[in-house]
Amino acid sequence: KAGVTQTPRYLIKTRGQQVTLSCSPISGHRSVSWYQQTPGQGLQFLFEYFSETQRNKGNFPGRFSGRQFSNSRSEMNVSTLELGDSALYLCASSPRATNEKLFFGSGTQLSVL
Amino acid sequence: AQSVSQHNHHVILSEAASLELGCNYSYGGTVNLFWYVQYPGQHLQLLLKYFSGDPLVKGIKGFEAEFIKSKFSFNLRKPSVQWSDTAEYFCAVRPNTNAGKSTFGDGTTLTVKP
Repeated sequence: KAGVTQTPRYLIKTRGQQVTLSCSPISGHRSVSWYQQTPGQGLQFLFEYFSETQRNKGNFPGRFSGRQFSNSRSEMNVSTLELGDSALYLCASSPRATNEKLFFGSGTQLSVL
Repeated sequence: AQSVSQHNHHVILSEAASLELGCNYSYGGTVNLFWYVQYPGQHLQLLLKYFSGDPLVKGIKGFEAEFIKSKFSFNLRKPSVQWSDTAEYFCAVRPNTNAGKSTFGDGTTLTVKP
């Protein structure tokens, strides 16, 4: 079974631009969550989707948004990029919207110049 | 809102030394607890988890963790570390509700010297 796939693996953008990150969960998994990982700050929760509905949202500005499609694939969008948005963005999936373990992808490394 | 605190940011040990990484959480209700590990160049993966029952849980590669409810703690232990245990370790808590979100600690970097 293929793991969680995130594309692209690396991205370089400039301030003010917009970016879209993609996540394909493990087949059969319906819950997808997104995290921002920066050195020394661990993983900060962005949002979680289940069956195309956003069930939880972290404390990030409205520039960060996401969505989930009917095939459970998810996208995350960041508009008006800032230097501080440079981070590793991780996607994780789980089978159902309960308290199971998360399966993580390798992440998208975003650099904002 | 829940929070997770990992006391050690960087731990350096020699091979065969014993390991204990601290994790404390704050949340008023029932939680599920996890330890994840990120080896160099690899993605995060589950080390072990606690949902209910025996508070001492065993995970992969000889790791174990003990849930002490009265102390809101879930410390990770390993009797004898190996060089291959060099990695970053994250403690996570998730409320035992349908809509609970996972909250992670800042992580502890473990370096094991051969």
